[in-house]
Amino acid sequence: DTAVSQTPKYLVTQMGNDKSIKCEQNLGHDTMYWYKQDSKKFLKIMFSYNNKELIINETVPNRFSPKSPDKAHLNLHINSLELGDSAVYFCASSATSNGAYEQYFGPGTRLTVT
Amino acid sequence: LAKTTQPISMDSYEGQEVNITCSHNNIATNDYITWYQQFPSQGPRFIIQGYKTKVTNEVASLFIPADRKSSTLSLPRVSLSDTAVYYCLGAEYRSAGTALIFGKGTTLSVSS
Repeated sequence: DTAVSQTPKYLVTQMGNDKSIKCEQNLGHDTMYWYKQDSKKFLKIMFSYNNKELIINETVPNRFSPKSPDKAHLNLHINSLELGDSAVYFCASSATSNGAYEQYFGPGTRLTVT
Repeated sequence: LAKTTQPISMDSYEGQEVNITCSHNNIATNDYITWYQQFPSQGPRFIIQGYKTKVTNEVASLFIPADRKSSTLSLPRVSLSDTAVYYCLGAEYRSAGTALIFGKGTTLSVSS
């Protein structure tokens, strides 16, 4: 029983392409997140959704657009991919939004842009 | 708690107790202190959280002094499988939602 799942696990694509990463959680949580871990292993939050509503939107290029069809899913669409987008992207979820220190992370999607 | 400082790396042997200390001088009154663990090629995993004094669970103990400007994660009798990166986390309250702020973490290497 995978709590937070992401697809695909690996994604290799060329500059300029558009790609999507899907995330699903079966924990019944209200809040979901996207984090980016770069080559130096720094993890940074990108977005957060609570009950399908965007609540955190960091300084992320407009090429990145999250979409939450329901509170169990949070997908990440990336337009016009650039070399600098290469990273591992983690989806996470938590039971609540405020004070949500305990977050459950997915296995990550390693994106490589060539 | 947003900015934290912890050692970049630590080495240990199997069976030893490992203590990782984190400094968080600008901790806010309502901040909790949280630690995560990350194995290679996996997402971070919540380990423990505390507000003051001592918290213990099946994985670790967390010691927090009265001034709360630092905390120590204690891993009893480590094994090879405890080799991972350990993060002492800051958290930022926004108008809505909590953003976890990950620092560089401490890479723990356990040898036999």
